[in-house]
Amino acid sequence: GNSVTQMEGPVTLSEEAFLTINCTYTATGYPSLFWYVQYPGEGLQLLLKATKADDKGSNKGFEATYRKETTSFHLEKGSVQVSDSAVYFCALSEGGGSTLGRLYFGRGTQLTVWP
Amino acid sequence: KAGVTQTPRYLIKTRGQQVTLSCSPISGHRSVSWYQQTPGQGLQFLFEYFSETQRNKGNFPGRFSGRQFSNSRSEMNVSTLELGDSALYLCASSPRTDSYEQYFGPGTRLTVT
Repeated sequence: GNSVTQMEGPVTLSEEAFLTINCTYTATGYPSLFWYVQYPGEGLQLLLKATKADDKGSNKGFEATYRKETTSFHLEKGSVQVSDSAVYFCALSEGGGSTLGRLYFGRGTQLTVWP
Repeated sequence: KAGVTQTPRYLIKTRGQQVTLSCSPISGHRSVSWYQQTPGQGLQFLFEYFSETQRNKGNFPGRFSGRQFSNSRSEMNVSTLELGDSALYLCASSPRTDSYEQYFGPGTRLTVT
């Protein structure tokens, strides 16, 4: 079956620190991979995506590379800001068959950045 | 383009009542999915509609149902509410491109007392 495992939080960092949030997945086919971010009281925002092996998704200084050999899609940012404080979700979609239209999510990682 | 909109944003109901939540997708998106988010269970998939047809369903009891209209707007209904149905209900729409990314609305916060 399909599943996503991401590192448990919370993660607490000082401003300008380096961020890594680990994400690994299990999929029966060739999934697309996503990172979503959720700010307090809001829905999920698509942060970045990758659709095939070795693709690198990037947005707002965040990056993640689709690693098929290690089934991973780790989120990184070189210098975090207080405004990056939020919950981050790793997700996958296989886009076909019995999983059509469904995203599989990790449990989320709470990030808090202190000034 | 306007984003995904959900109404109402907040709702308080009592056990045994029923509730209907509404979702308007991004213009041109024909796929709408619904998710339940709770602190204990995380994000759980409810169902997905495309062109007024339910294409996929998660592992929820029959009290949870949905529909989609010809303009792609969608509603979900929960009958005989239980305390455990208290959650944030998120709607997402998708253009059904090759990556099947989904764009989420702000959610409806349902509290059952």
